[in-house]
Parts: sequence; C-alpha cells; structure tokens
Amino acid sequence: GENVEQHPSTLSVQEGDSAVIKCTYSDSASNYFPWYKQELGKRPQLIIDIRSNVGEKKDQRIAVTLNKTAKHFSLHITETQPEDSAVYFCAASTDSNSGYALNFGKGTSLLVTP
Amino acid sequence: SAVISQKPSRDICQRGTSLTIQCQVDSQVTMMFWYRQQPGQSLTLIATANQGSEATYESGFVIDKFPISRPNLTFSTLTVSNMSPEDSSIYLCSVRTGGNTGELFFGEGSRLTVL
Repeated sequence: GENVEQHPSTLSVQEGDSAVIKCTYSDSASNYFPWYKQELGKRPQLIIDIRSNVGEKKDQRIAVTLNKTAKHFSLHITETQPEDSAVYFCAASTDSNSGYALNFGKGTSLLVTP
Repeated sequence: SAVISQKPSRDICQRGTSLTIQCQVDSQVTMMFWYRQQPGQSLTLIATANQGSEATYESGFVIDKFPISRPNLTFSTLTVSNMSPEDSSIYLCSVRTGGNTGELFFGEGSRLTVL
C-alpha cells in the first residue's frame, strides 16, 4: 500500500518567517495530495490540496508544490503567524478503484513564536 | 461540504468490554472511512465501509476486533471489541465529497479511554 513519509516532525519558526514541510510517497499511482491542519483537541481540516495534473497551487499565504517524478510534495507557509501553530498532516490517495482513502504522513508540529 | 455527527464524543471503558461508535452524515455517501488517532500520533485508516457490502480492513485491523456496520448511505457504526488499554485512542469517522474524490471531512471524533 501507499507509504507517506513526512519531515520534519517538529518545526519552530519566528513569526513572519516561512515554514516548509516536505512529504514523499511511494505509490506512483497516487494522484491526490491534500494537506490538513489539526489544532489541539480539534478534528483535522483541509487547508489546501493538489492533484497530479498540477505542479503548484497557491492560496494566499499557503502554497503546495508537487514533483511527480521524484514523488514528493511540499507545503509552504509564508509570513507565518502564531495562529498557524498546529499539527500539519500530508496525505496521498490514488483515487481509483484501488482505493479512495487517504494515507497520512506522521505529522509536523509547527510552532510559530511571536 | 459534509456535516458528520459522532457519538459518543468520549467514554471511559473497562478492559474486556466493547463499545459501539455511531456516525451520521448529513448527505448520502457511498464510502465512509474509519480512522484511529492515538495520542500525539497520526491518522491511521482502520477500514473503508461501503453500503451493502463488507467493510475493507487495512493491514493490522481485523473484523473480529473492529466490526463495522453500514446499513444505509448516511450511517455507520464501528465497534471496538474486547477492549484493552492499547485501544485508548480517538476514533474518527470521515467521508469524502465529490463522488469519493473530493475533500475528506472528519467527524469530531470519539475519545475512548480504556482502564
């Protein structure tokens, strides 16, 4: 099955700096790559996603890049704010008859200090 | 979007007992996904529940331990059987919109503590 690796496991940045989280996946058939943010005690929520026919997607301060050849994708957060502090999970899915479930990375705990 | 209601939201259980978690969705979906999130850990897929057929379990999870029902397109249950302290976890019901290729929405989770 799909194996998603995520790095780093923890990340601390100063407010205003950028944060980058990287993930790799094993199944070349994967074609959907979302990122979820989970605040303490809350359910995970989608912040951005990308499909395999696109190399980059941006939404205000958040961007995701995808390199299908290398099988890795990254989350970029610019101008970080204290409210960005949370655990971020990357995920991958093949979105085909072989499965529609998301396989998640182990998560990155991001701390933004004022 | 999808609104998912789960209950119980939390429970404290005795070793050896079983607990059933209920999940109700506000729209009809073909697939429902059950995840487990152990304290400080990631989201691990337990099984995919399809209406009208047996659930599909991931490696490491078996039907005898985690029986699932899916009686209709808006409801599912997950039972955690013969619980041990290692089963203490948050169990999350989830669905994808857009014909199973859209966003994955989670319920609020059921936090189980096994003593």
